[in-house]
This record gives sequence, C-alpha cells and structure tokens, in this order.
Amino acid sequence: SQKIEQNSEALNIQEGKTATLTCNYTNYSPAYLQWYRQDPGRGPVFLLLIRENEKEKRKERLKVTFDTTLKQSLFHITASQPADSATYLCALDSSGGYNKLIFGAGTRLAVHP
Amino acid sequence: DVKVTQSSRYLVKRTGEKVFLECVQDMDHENMFWYRQDPGLGLRLIYFSYDVKMKEKGDIPEGYSVSREKKERFSLILESASTNQTSMYLCASSPTTGTENEKLFFGSGTQLSVL
Repeated sequence: SQKIEQNSEALNIQEGKTATLTCNYTNYSPAYLQWYRQDPGRGPVFLLLIRENEKEKRKERLKVTFDTTLKQSLFHITASQPADSATYLCALDSSGGYNKLIFGAGTRLAVHP
Repeated sequence: DVKVTQSSRYLVKRTGEKVFLECVQDMDHENMFWYRQDPGLGLRLIYFSYDVKMKEKGDIPEGYSVSREKKERFSLILESASTNQTSMYLCASSPTTGTENEKLFFGSGTQLSVL
C-alpha cells in the first residue's frame, strides 16, 4: 500500500541553525510533492511544491529537494527562528486526479532562542 | 486571500447523535475535501467533491456522508456519531485550473469530541 513517512520525533534546534526535515515514501510515483506548515489548533498552510522533474526548489529561507530514485524529499529551513516552530507536513499527489493529496503524519519542529 | 470557514472550532456530541460539520469557501473553487487528523496518523481523506452534487469516497468514508448542494458549501455528516469519530476535522478547497490548482487551502478545523 502507499505510505509516507516523516520523522515522528520532534526536532529541536537552536535559533540560527538549519533545520532539515525528511519525507520518505513507498509505492508511489507522484507527479509532485508539497510541504505544508501547521500551527497548533490551525489548518495546514501551503509552503512549497516541487515536481518530479525538479531537483530543488527555494523560497526565501526554505529549500526543498526531491529525489525520485531514493523516494525522498528533504525540507530545509535556514537561519531558523523561534517563529518557525510548527509541525511540517509532507503531501504527495495520489495520482487519483482532482488534487487528491496523501499526507504524512508531520514532524514537529521546535526552534529554541 | 482564500478563505475556508468551518462553522465550529469545538464540538461535543453524544454517541448516536447525527452531526453536521459545515464548510464554506469564498473563492469559487471546484474541489472541496474533508480530512480527519489524528495524532500519529496524519490527515486521512474522508470524502471529496469536484463539482456541485458530485462526491467521491476517500480512504475512510465509513460512517460518514457528505452533501454539496452549492458550490461554496460542503457538509460532512456523521449519521450516528461514535467515540472513534472523535478527531480534528479539516475542510479544504482547491481550484481546478489556474496557478494555484495544485495546492489545498484549509479551514481552521473542527475538534469534535464524541462522548
């Protein structure tokens, strides 16, 4: 069956460092992969989309890589700030059309001053 | 900005009650979705709709039904609530065309507790 895995343990880092979150998937060949941010008690908010033919994508302090051979995406936040503390969700196109996404369980990031 | 509004942030219901969760979006999106989110399990798709009066089952439709009578409104119905339906329910929408057609816009969620 289709499966997406993200680090279940919280990631604790010091302010100013680079945070790296991992998303692994099996039994998929997604056309694209997305990352969302979710704050406690709120719905997820879209951050970045990367397509299968793209190796890397950047947006301000965010960088996403997509390795279709390894079936893995890495999400980096450089110069992290306490305001970056949140849960980050990886989502894949399920290939079922209509933008049906399948989500990982998310990784909680805590950035300490 | 796209706004997806869910009618309740918190809801407490009793086992066996019929429960309605309402979702309204203001950007004329064709696609609407209902997910539930449980710790450690991520978001799981319950139902989605790609047009008025159209609906498709997601991965976990059992115990739920939906209604989409108007384009902007998508309702999730728990016919007879059970304790295992205690969860955070998230509504989302997306357009079919345009530059944003591959991302989902979420509401703030409804935390439902079934006692």
